[in-house]
Amino acid sequence: AIQMTQSPSSLSASVGDRVTLTCRASQDIRSDLGWYQQKPGKAPKFLIFAASSLHGGVPSRFSGSGSGTDFTLTISSLQPEDFATYYCLQDYSYPLTFGPGTKVDIK
Amino acid sequence: QLQLQESGPGLVKPSGTLSLTCAVSGGSISSSDSYWGWIRLPPGKGLEWIGTVSYSGDTYYNPSLNGRVTMSVDTSKNQFSLTLYFVTAADTSVYYCSRRRRIGAGLYGIDVWGQGTTVTVSS
Repeated sequence: AIQMTQSPSSLSASVGDRVTLTCRASQDIRSDLGWYQQKPGKAPKFLIFAASSLHGGVPSRFSGSGSGTDFTLTISSLQPEDFATYYCLQDYSYPLTFGPGTKVDIK
Repeated sequence: QLQLQESGPGLVKPSGTLSLTCAVSGGSISSSDSYWGWIRLPPGKGLEWIGTVSYSGDTYYNPSLNGRVTMSVDTSKNQFSLTLYFVTAADTSVYYCSRRRRIGAGLYGIDVWGQGTTVTVSS
């Protein structure tokens, strides 16, 4: 199975900060990567597909980039509602695998 | 708009069988661009993909579950199900049903999620 790693595992930031989260795959997955946001007690929310395409309704402050094995999720100006855990998911091949997540909390 | 709702027992005994159902509303489970699946969140851990089933019954499972899982679709009831055998405390999780949709040629995303249901394995 393809292994996914994410860094950092957690970060503290302030409203208005630009934050960049990193996801790495253990092998080339082209651009078959999605990003998901999860808040405590809630179901995950779909943010980005194909590494860089924003899902409908997702604010434009979110952006994704990368291909092959290295990917990033950037939040250009962190808002109060963005404090959450972010997961990457490779859907290049079964079994689908999630990264361990990056928790973004308030500094 | 498509909605998913999980149902099933919240408590299962060790070595027993966990059975959950996901009701699909606001759309058809027979849609050719949709794949139905289960994902879980163990306490204090990250998301784990359990498996996927297509409307035609094709299945893909996480090998880490060592053959303990089956999934099926009931098109007459517009619902799909998860069965996990020989459960242990490690199977205690919030279980989410989900839709993985083909967004474009070779492009996919898990765009609809149920609210999640907590299943505890304990005697």
